[in-house]
Amino acid sequence: DAGVIQSPRHEVTEMGQEVTLRCKPISGHNSLFWYRQTMMRGLELLIYFNNNVPIDDSGMPEDRFSAKMPNASFSTLKIQPSEPRDSAVYFCASTLTGYGYTFGSGTRLTVV
Amino acid sequence: GDSVTQMEGPVTLSEEAFLTINCTYTATGYPSLFWYVQYPGEGLQLLLKATKADDKGSNKGFEATYRKETTSFHLEKGSVQVSDSAVYFCALSSPNTGNQFYFGTGTSLTVIP
Repeated sequence: DAGVIQSPRHEVTEMGQEVTLRCKPISGHNSLFWYRQTMMRGLELLIYFNNNVPIDDSGMPEDRFSAKMPNASFSTLKIQPSEPRDSAVYFCASTLTGYGYTFGSGTRLTVV
Repeated sequence: GDSVTQMEGPVTLSEEAFLTINCTYTATGYPSLFWYVQYPGEGLQLLLKATKADDKGSNKGFEATYRKETTSFHLEKGSVQVSDSAVYFCALSSPNTGNQFYFGTGTSLTVIP
């Protein structure tokens, strides 16, 4: 299995631009999670899906952030418009009920 | 609510020293407990886990025992190597919260030759 695949690995964008981060979970996993990691705040859960349905989005910082999971093999996290304070590493993780998370390698986002 | 508290870092050790990273938890029910490791520039990787009281998880020389009486899951290694330098996260998952994990803040370990 190729693991959880995230793209792009690095993204540099200008303030105000739309950014879309992508995630392909492990086949057969029924839950998907988006995390943000910064030095100041550590690892923060943004949103998670069970069976493609958003369960808890209370960690999404504000309306500029949105996430979708149109099918079991793909999810996106969108930031529109982006701001410099959104600069962070964004991780996607997937799991099957009762097992540990598998994390992707992350997308390092820099907003200038 | 469910939570995990782990010792503050950073931790700096000499090669072959003994390592302990403390982790305590608060949870309703009977959670599963995990240690994850994050190497520089990478995502978090599962290091070991324990699913019930008195279980011992082990991997790559690291061990942790699920202690219900002290609500702890301390990570230990008898002899660390430079390659163990990373950030270590304690985490729990409870049946009461579905698949959601609760992570500690992470402990940075640097091993010097």
